[in-house]
Amino acid sequence: SYELTQPPSVSVSPGQTASITCSGDKLGDKYVCWYQQRPGQSPVLIIYQDKKRPSGIPERFTGSNSGNTATLTISGTQAMDEADYYCQAWDSSTYVFGTGTKVTVL
Amino acid sequence: QVRVVQSGAEVKKPGASVKVSCKASGYTFIDYYIHWVRQAPGQGLEWMGCINPNSGVTNYAQKFQGRVTVTRDTSISTAYMELSSLRSDDTAMYYCSRTAAATHAAFDIWGQGTMLTVSS
Repeated sequence: SYELTQPPSVSVSPGQTASITCSGDKLGDKYVCWYQQRPGQSPVLIIYQDKKRPSGIPERFTGSNSGNTATLTISGTQAMDEADYYCQAWDSSTYVFGTGTKVTVL
Repeated sequence: QVRVVQSGAEVKKPGASVKVSCKASGYTFIDYYIHWVRQAPGQGLEWMGCINPNSGVTNYAQKFQGRVTVTRDTSISTAYMELSSLRSDDTAMYYCSRTAAATHAAFDIWGQGTMLTVSS
């Protein structure tokens, strides 16, 4: 089965840039989405089709996808960005989520 | 506004079944697939399966084949997820979500979650 691997945790200082990677075989050939999940809340879509932002999502969230790695970048990180982040792709009739990354804003 | 609202928390004994509902509003129910995703305590997201509300055709993750059934009632814009032969490791938050297509699509709206506890 297809797997998406993320680093368990990323730490960032307020105002700095955080990058979260998502690795999978030939991931660049697939569309990747990213979700933010704050503690005790449902996931929220923040990036779809590799780099598009839904309405209402701040511009500081950007996405890219090439080769075997997709990346979510948070520029000018704010305290409110502290959350779990999940990548997601579709493969062989199955939706697959990444292992998840906890972003801590120090 | 566009939303999906799920039924309340459930407590079940091992071996039992549970049926969770997901009521859609604010959009045309048959135009979007409904999916079920679960999250065990402290763990990540796991896709279980989905239904095309227009045709009723379903697609399940291999892990849940034979144990999960997703249905819908278009007259009340509601989808259901039934999980049988419950085990303690089925204890999790269960979310419904929608996508605009069957493949390569994003989960753009999520329900509030339904907590299932399986315990003797």
